[in-house]
Amino acid sequence: GAGVSQSPRYKVAKRGQDVALRCDPISGHVSLFWYQQALGQGPEFLTYFQNEAQLDKSGLPSDRFFAERPEGSVSTLKIQRTQQEDSAVYLCASRVRTGGGGEAFFGQGTRLTVV
Amino acid sequence: SQQGEEDPQALSIQEGENATMNCSYKTSINNLQWYRQNSGRGLVHLILIRSNEREKHSGRLRVTLDTSKKSSSLLITASRAADTASYFCATEWGGTALIFGKGTTLSVSS
Repeated sequence: GAGVSQSPRYKVAKRGQDVALRCDPISGHVSLFWYQQALGQGPEFLTYFQNEAQLDKSGLPSDRFFAERPEGSVSTLKIQRTQQEDSAVYLCASRVRTGGGGEAFFGQGTRLTVV
Repeated sequence: SQQGEEDPQALSIQEGENATMNCSYKTSINNLQWYRQNSGRGLVHLILIRSNEREKHSGRLRVTLDTSKKSSSLLITASRAADTASYFCATEWGGTALIFGKGTTLSVSS
C-alpha cells in the first residue's frame, strides 16, 4: 500500500481480555515505531524495531505489553490482560532509514477502549 | 516519557494572522521535527531541522532552532482554517526513536 496501515481501527475489549494490534509499514521501510497516545496528549514512545530486531522497548509500560516484527515487515503489538488505563490510541510509524533523521510516516492508529 | 514541551498549550487566531508555537527539550539532539495532527489525516510530518541548522523554511512554515537554549519555534504565516490542528515537536538523538512533546492546539477561525 501507499501508506502505513493499522488494523483494526477501533477495538473494544473487556477488562482482562488480550488484544493484538497490527501494523503494516510502508514497503522497504527499515524502522518501525509504536506509540501510545492518550486523549489530549502527545504520542508516548513504546518500542522501536530495526528490521526484525527490537532495539528499544524502554517505553513499554508493563510486561503485559509485547511487540514483535518477525520478518522485518508487519508488526504486532499485543496487550495481555487489558486494563482500563490501557485505553488509548496506538500509533505505528515507519521510516525508510535506520537513523540519522528523516520523516516518520504514521498510520491512522488503533483506538483501544477497555471496558 | 516525553522530551519536549510545547508552548502555548492552546492558541486561537483569525485567518490571515501568523501563529507561533514554541518547543523546549531536555537532551542533546541530532534533529528536531514538527508534526501536525488532525482527526482527518493523523500525524503528518511538516519539517525537519538538523542540530547544525538555525533556520529552515518550507512554504508558509518557518522553523528556528537554538541548541544553546534547547528550544525551537514554528511560525505559520497567513494562517488558514485548514491549519486548525495539534502541532507537536519531536526530537531524535543517536538514531533512536522520535520523542514527542505534548503539543499545541491551534484553532484558526474565519
